Amino acid sequence: TQLLEQSPQFLSIQEGENLTVYCNSSSVFSSLQWYRQEPGEGPVLLVTVVTGGEVKKLKRLTFQFGDARKDSSLHITAAQPGDTGLYLCAGDSGTYKYIFGTGTRLKVLA
Amino acid sequence: EPEVTQTPSHQVTQMGQEVILRCVPISNHLYFYWYRQILGQKVEFLVSFYNNEISEKSEIFDDQFSVERPDGSNFTLKIRSTKLEDSAMYFCAIHSGGAYNEQFFGPGTRLTVL
Repeated sequence: TQLLEQSPQFLSIQEGENLTVYCNSSSVFSSLQWYRQEPGEGPVLLVTVVTGGEVKKLKRLTFQFGDARKDSSLHITAAQPGDTGLYLCAGDSGTYKYIFGTGTRLKVLA
Repeated sequence: EPEVTQTPSHQVTQMGQEVILRCVPISNHLYFYWYRQILGQKVEFLVSFYNNEISEKSEIFDDQFSVERPDGSNFTLKIRSTKLEDSAMYFCAIHSGGAYNEQFFGPGTRLTVL
């Protein structure tokens, strides 16, 4: 069974601080997606990483795919209250179904 | 970004009743997916559907569940006899059609089984 573990589960930080969220698995994924989910809404796609070692930037967010394509990280620079939300990683095993991570709930305090 | 709408946004039903959840993609897509998210838990894959056939299903997707595309546009998830533990958010997702399997999610239907 493929599993994706995210850490930390919860994170509460002050505005302006940096943070990193990790997504780890023992399985290899053909691609990995990061989503953000607001309460009562569907996940919204932030980025897709495909190549081992790939780094993608989305404004203050930096996403990295591990060399072995088993893990990924999301780094947020100078967090803002608007970054508050649930961050989810999801791996595509190549069979067109996503395995979702356990989620990291981020709260950024003003 | 492809758009997906889902109806109803909230469904309340009695245990044992049948429910049908609907997914309407704005543009034509071939790949559809259903996921569920029990309150406070992670998003779980239920089923993928391609070209009017089930491609893959999880162990959650038992005989109580069925999917179909009755009119070539709407994509439905039917739960024949709901149980209390079926209470969850149900999300429809579509494949982007691009080179990578990017999936775009609808806003979800909150199913409450009493």
